[in-house]
Amino acid sequence: DTEVTQTPKHLVMGMTNKKSLKCEQHMGHRAMYWYKQKAKKPPELMFVYSYEKLSINESVPSRFSPECPNSSLLNLHLHALQPEDSALYLCASSPPYQQVSGANVLTFGAGSRLTVL
Amino acid sequence: AQTVTQSQPEMSVQEAETVTLSCTYDTSESDYYLFWYKQPPSRQMILVIRQEAYKQQNATENRFSVNFQKAAKSFSLKISDSQLGDAAMYFCAYRSEASRVSGYALNFGKGTSLLVTP
Repeated sequence: DTEVTQTPKHLVMGMTNKKSLKCEQHMGHRAMYWYKQKAKKPPELMFVYSYEKLSINESVPSRFSPECPNSSLLNLHLHALQPEDSALYLCASSPPYQQVSGANVLTFGAGSRLTVL
Repeated sequence: AQTVTQSQPEMSVQEAETVTLSCTYDTSESDYYLFWYKQPPSRQMILVIRQEAYKQQNATENRFSVNFQKAAKSFSLKISDSQLGDAAMYFCAYRSEASRVSGYALNFGKGTSLLVTP
């Protein structure tokens, strides 16, 4: 299995809803990432889970809450979102950190398209 | 912080022709990695090619090659024999040395939209 699977592909939610995005990989990767991508813009890093430890982009509002139950699964919990949070949310994973070989790359999922009404 | 600049928002190429996409970056680090990712309308980010900064030889992957000029901090992508399936948004990306904390997190340029005409 060489894929990163994201569900759902599309999500429409109201500003008072609570929903979650899910990301799964079975490649033995030890780091997983959430990126946010607005239309015609580059992806922006939101969170990194590396060896089950979380690193946060401090500009990300608290209405986004990541969770990493295990090294294969990454969730993004959404609560009280705003219309400007509508975007494509990309998950990615990468192999275990190795000090010698740094050329390992991110594998991306196909994204979850979120619309906040 | 490292910045990645792609100065061409859109480019157009005829099928079978060659096109070059530009990318420059700013960093004070000596060891880093550079990537070109392709994002077609299907939204999947696909790795096209990567370059380790410590390697002087330019990377090549089939029809895709880079011109890496470390002193000038330039990393352009050349696509030869362009095909209709090459039409996509192309992102240049920078990555510092990997760490246990940040993993392999990427910093992207704004992208270049490539149109391929028959």
